[in-house]
This record gives sequence, C-alpha cells and structure tokens, in this order.
Amino acid sequence: QVQLQESGPGLVKPSQTLSLTCTVSGDFINSGPYYWSWIRQRPGQGLEWLGYISYGGSTYYNPSLKSRLTISVDTSKNQFSLKVDSVTAADTAVYYCARDPKGYNNLDYRGQGILVTVSS
Amino acid sequence: QSALTQPPSVSAAPGQKVTISCSGSSSNIGNNYVSWYQQFPRTAPKLLIYENNKRPSGIPDRFSGSKSGTSATLDITGLQTGDEADYYCGAWDSSRLNAGGVFGGGTKVTVL
Repeated sequence: QVQLQESGPGLVKPSQTLSLTCTVSGDFINSGPYYWSWIRQRPGQGLEWLGYISYGGSTYYNPSLKSRLTISVDTSKNQFSLKVDSVTAADTAVYYCARDPKGYNNLDYRGQGILVTVSS
Repeated sequence: QSALTQPPSVSAAPGQKVTISCSGSSSNIGNNYVSWYQQFPRTAPKLLIYENNKRPSGIPDRFSGSKSGTSATLDITGLQTGDEADYYCGAWDSSRLNAGGVFGGGTKVTVL
C-alpha cells in the first residue's frame, strides 16, 4: 500500500519561501511512470492543482503560479518537494502531495495534508 | 473562478439518487479524462471515479460517472447519510496558455 506524508513548517512569514516535503513509502518513487503532484486547498475553498514532477524528472506547473513554484525529487530519500517563493496570505492553505499514475490530474494516492499559514 | 463548473449543493433523501454535474470546455473535459473526488471535512480528497467512469478498488457501484461532450456527471444512487461530503470533479486542461490540472469548485451533498 502506497503512503504519502507531507512535512514542513506550519507557519511561514510573508515574502519568504514555503518548503514542503512529501515522503513516499510502500513503493519506490522511481519505480513506475508516475507523476508526483501537489495540490492545495485554501480555507473554505476548493482544490487547486499546483504541479507535478514526472518519473523522468520533467515538471509541469499551474500557469498562474509557475513563476513561484519549484517541484523537485530526491530518489535517494524517496521524497519529492515543493517550494513556493514570495508567499503572501493568499498562500495560506492545506497542501497535499499525491501520486498521479497517468499525468492528467488523476490522483490515486494522497497524503493527509499539511496546513501552512502565512503570517508575520 | 474554477475552470470547471459544478453546482454548489445538491440534496436528496436517503435511498434516493443525486446527480452532480461538471461543465467544462473542449480544452479540458471535451478532450481529456474526468476524475471525481469525495472529501469529508478536514480530510484529504479521495478518488471515486477516474477515466470518466472507472471505479478504484473498494469504491461501491452506487457511485458512477459519465461524460458527454464538454460535461461530466457523477451519480450517487441509494444515497446514505455517510455520503454527506463535498465532491469535486477534475480534469487536465490542454490549452496552449493554461495547460495543467483543473478542478471544479465542489458540490456539497446533503442527505435530507
């Protein structure tokens, strides 16, 4: 059974960089043609797709956030990460990492989510 | 403003059927697969339907999905109190300027 777990600081100051890590267990992160994804959910709002990194290392980002996002992978630790630069209060959200087996926003396994608050 | 349009809420009595619509465009639903997710408060969304109408293992057949043109539908039959949750549709948008994953705004299902 594949499991994903987000980790990182729960509080980030405005203008700083939000950094989250997703640890994958139950399978190797480079074992198959998967797309390792991040989505978020602002308080009281719907889901927002942020981006993914593919098994081949290519990345795809939400066009409206592309300039501030970086997704990377560390196969030695079986982890992938998300960085959001220059955060504002609008980046306050629950962030989820997920596995997409086909690369078209089909998220079959997800982490439990981590709340990140942007505040001074 | 979500790329996919869902009704904010639907409701029905236990045992009845609810239908949740998801409207998009040719760049997303019209030419790509649709997924559906169920989300209870303070929990992660769970995949209910993928590739328009397929159910992951463990999802009861009371949940079914379909797609026609630029719209998709999630049906829940034999409604149960445990089905009260938010439901989201998702798809890939392959437009040149806005390519990426997209979601609907979510539909809250209430069991009367």
